[in-house]
Amino acid sequence: GQNIDQPTEMTATEGAIVQINCTYQTSGFNGLFWYQQHAGEAPTFLSYNVLDGLEEKGRFSSFLSRSKGYSYLLLKELQMKDSASYLCAVRDRPSGNTPLVFGKGTRLSVIA
Amino acid sequence: ETGVTQTPRHLVMGMTNKKSLKCEQHLGHNAMYWYKQSAKKPLELMFEEQTENNSVPSRFSPECPNSSHLFLHLHTLQPEDSALYLCASSRGAAGGPNEQFFGPGTRLTVL
Repeated sequence: GQNIDQPTEMTATEGAIVQINCTYQTSGFNGLFWYQQHAGEAPTFLSYNVLDGLEEKGRFSSFLSRSKGYSYLLLKELQMKDSASYLCAVRDRPSGNTPLVFGKGTRLSVIA
Repeated sequence: ETGVTQTPRHLVMGMTNKKSLKCEQHLGHNAMYWYKQSAKKPLELMFEEQTENNSVPSRFSPECPNSSHLFLHLHTLQPEDSALYLCASSRGAAGGPNEQFFGPGTRLTVL
């Protein structure tokens, strides 16, 4: 079966760094995605990893280890507006145009 | 209009009603999807365009008349079908992330 695990909730302080972990066991692997979803809004794409290593994009970075079935999303210089749910998702089929398998999401609260 | 749009944004219906959700993408993508998002559950894929999915009850049926439009037809729903229904589209080119772009969703309440 497909299984994607991530913590349910996290709290961090404004200006700090937070790391959100994700582990996955899927029948196939063709890329891992992180999405941000504010309450009542659509998920928006943050990052994509298909090869091992770190991808950096401004204050956000994402890491992948395929051999460990593990990824993390790193958020630096946290801002109040970063309070949202962060969804880890895997594309489990070889074709590039296929749906994603999602984890339950991690609700991040940024406090002053 | 830009991105992915969905109508209606909110829908309240009785168990005997028939209604349809509409999704339109203005991104030139060539694949569209329906996902269901319930409290404390992961986003679940319901349909890729109008491909049959045996894990979804037959009271839901998709229709995809062209690459820009996707419908979800609803009939005789149950209260447990109350959820946020999200539409997504993707570009489908070879290589690259082909990330999915989501619409704002329809918040459905079944009484």
